[in-house]
Amino acid sequence: GIQVEQSPPDLILQEGANSTLRCNFSDSVNNLQWFHQNPWGQLINLFYIPSGTKQNGRLSATTVATERYSLLYISSSQTTDSGVYFCAVGGPTGANNLFFGTGTRLTVIP
Amino acid sequence: EAGVVQSPRYKIIEKKQPVAFWCNPISGHNTLYWYLQNLGQGPELLIRYENEEAVDDSQLPKDRFSAERLKGVDSTLKIQPAELGDSAVYLCASSLSKREQFFGPGTRLTVL
Repeated sequence: GIQVEQSPPDLILQEGANSTLRCNFSDSVNNLQWFHQNPWGQLINLFYIPSGTKQNGRLSATTVATERYSLLYISSSQTTDSGVYFCAVGGPTGANNLFFGTGTRLTVIP
Repeated sequence: EAGVVQSPRYKIIEKKQPVAFWCNPISGHNTLYWYLQNLGQGPELLIRYENEEAVDDSQLPKDRFSAERLKGVDSTLKIQPAELGDSAVYLCASSLSKREQFFGPGTRLTVL
């Protein structure tokens, strides 16, 4: 399967700060998704972004497929942003099975 | 639009007992996935269905795990017998063909 590396593994922010999470992957992909796993374990879809740039409120994401990485930007962080952020990719075979990274655990303190 | 529904949310059993998990995907989604998430790790695929057909079950431990998706809608994942190492969260996801996947809340299994 595709190898997915996320960095940093842990991040602690003061409320209001900005952050950038990175996802590197080992092969070309036809699917890339960012998720937020809340404290109750629910995976919440943030972005479906195999390429290009998207924005949704305080969050934005960019995927540079040719260089095999994606970035998730969080601006003006809030305590409710705390949780684990996962990057997941689907390979070029068209099967769309997602390969997940080990996540970035974000803690936002007031 | 209703999301992916899973039940039960929590299950505690003793080892060697059977257990079953149920998933109802988003209406109209033809592709259904079962993932396993161990503590501190990302989910890993167990099996993928396209309509009624299991098209990728290479990661499913077939000696004790089985799955079915009758009529191409709901799906059931079964473990018999359960082992201590099966304690994990079992996640169901669905998508429209090979597009964005949406996950259910998961079933947290504890095997004692």
